[in-house]
Amino acid sequence: AQSVTQLGSHVSVSEGALVLLRCNYSSSVPPYLFWYVQYPNQGLQLLLKYTSAATLVKGINGFEAEFKKSETSFHLTKPSAHMSDAAEYFCAVSPSLYGSSNTGKLIFGQGTTLQVKP
Amino acid sequence: DVKVTQSSRYLVKRTGEKVFLECVQDMDHENMFWYRQDPGLGLRLIYFSYDVKMKEKGDIPEGYSVSREKKERFSLILESASTNQTSMYLCASEPGRSNSPLHFGNGTRLTVT
Repeated sequence: AQSVTQLGSHVSVSEGALVLLRCNYSSSVPPYLFWYVQYPNQGLQLLLKYTSAATLVKGINGFEAEFKKSETSFHLTKPSAHMSDAAEYFCAVSPSLYGSSNTGKLIFGQGTTLQVKP
Repeated sequence: DVKVTQSSRYLVKRTGEKVFLECVQDMDHENMFWYRQDPGLGLRLIYFSYDVKMKEKGDIPEGYSVSREKKERFSLILESASTNQTSMYLCASEPGRSNSPLHFGNGTRLTVT
């Protein structure tokens, strides 16, 4: 069975500092991996996704994530935090196998709330 | 731009009431989903539908049912609401192509008293 673990339910950084949100997954097959962001009082929106093309994935708003198979990790980073980055971030893995559809049946991590201090 | 609209932002219902949560998408997406979001638990899949009148159980279907009579509309039904169903409910859709991202509505926060 696939699963996702996000290390740290709350992360606090200063404005301008590096953002690192950790995600580890377990999967018996090559996974599809996603990061979503949820701003207050809104639904989730896609930040980036890994689909086996390139291990370093660039997303919106300056975020990127690196797929490391040996570490079963997909950590999210941003070089310099902005106040507008304060939100909840979710890592997710798709149970779909070998490119099949129905990728919406995602398994989500518990979420990490990012606080950005002035 | 894809729009997924959930009819209510906040709902307060009493224990035992029948509750309908409505979701409409405007992009002719094949697949629609209902997730429940709780602090510390992330999102958990309740039900999903891959075609009109077709549905499949997700990870936590107990106490819920769904209806998809038209392609654009996916309803979540709580037959007899209970206090442990107090939560944020998120509807999502996607076109059914491989690796397509989910598009989420803004959520309905349901409180059952």
